[in-house]
Amino acid sequence: KAGVTQTPRYLIKTRGQQVTLSCSPISGHRSVSWYQQTPGQGLQFLFEYFSETQRNKGNFPGRFSGRQFSNSRSEMNVSTLELGDSALYLCASSLASGRLATNEKLFFGSGTQLSVL
Amino acid sequence: AQSVSQHNHHVILSEAASLELGCNYSYGGTVNLFWYVQYPGQHLQLLLKYFSGDPLVKGIKGFEAEFIKSKFSFNLRKPSVQWSDTAEYFCASRDNTGRRALTFGSGTRLQVQP
Repeated sequence: KAGVTQTPRYLIKTRGQQVTLSCSPISGHRSVSWYQQTPGQGLQFLFEYFSETQRNKGNFPGRFSGRQFSNSRSEMNVSTLELGDSALYLCASSLASGRLATNEKLFFGSGTQLSVL
Repeated sequence: AQSVSQHNHHVILSEAASLELGCNYSYGGTVNLFWYVQYPGQHLQLLLKYFSGDPLVKGIKGFEAEFIKSKFSFNLRKPSVQWSDTAEYFCASRDNTGRRALTFGSGTRLQVQP
C-alpha cells in the first residue's frame, strides 16, 4: 500500500509570496498532521486535521493555515513568506477513528523542502 | 508544556561499537514515547514505541529502549552498530490528553565509521 505522499518535493519561493503544500495520506487514514523541521528548532507540530476539521494547532503564527478535504487529502498554506520559513515540511497520517487510540502510530511522508530567498 | 531533551547532538562510532542515545522527557502524567530514525534523504520511520507495560521495548533493526519513569528517561540502545545505522535519531513524546501532536527532541546525528 502506498505511503504518505507529499508534493512538491522541492519548492523555491521569494519573501512575501505564498505557498501551498499538498499531502495525500495512506489510504484509509483519516488524520493528517503537519510538522516543520529546521536545523535550529528541530521538528515542531503545526496542526492536525481529522474529518475536515482542525483538531489541534501548534504555536505558529496565523500565516500558517491548512485544510483537509473529504478524501482526507490535506493542504497547508503559508502566506507572506519569511526567510525563517525555509524548512522541511512533513506530513504524517494515522488510522484514526476520532478519539486518539492508545497504540495509534503516525506514518510520515518524505516532506516538501521549502526554500525562501 | 511537554519537552524532550536529547543531550547527544552528534555521535561518532566505529562499526560493532555499542550505542546508547539519551532521551529525557518532561511530562509528569501518562506519556507515550517513541524513537524515530531518519536515514539520509528518507522519511521518518518508527523504530520503537512505548505505551505501557514492559518498560524494555524492542524495535526494528536490533534497537531497544528502556523506559525509566523515575528518571523521565527513554534511552535508545543497540549492542553493535553497523555502517547502515548512520542516520538522525529523534526521540518523541505524546501526552494522554487526546492530542495526536508529538513533541520531538532536537535529534542526534549518528555517524558510524566502517
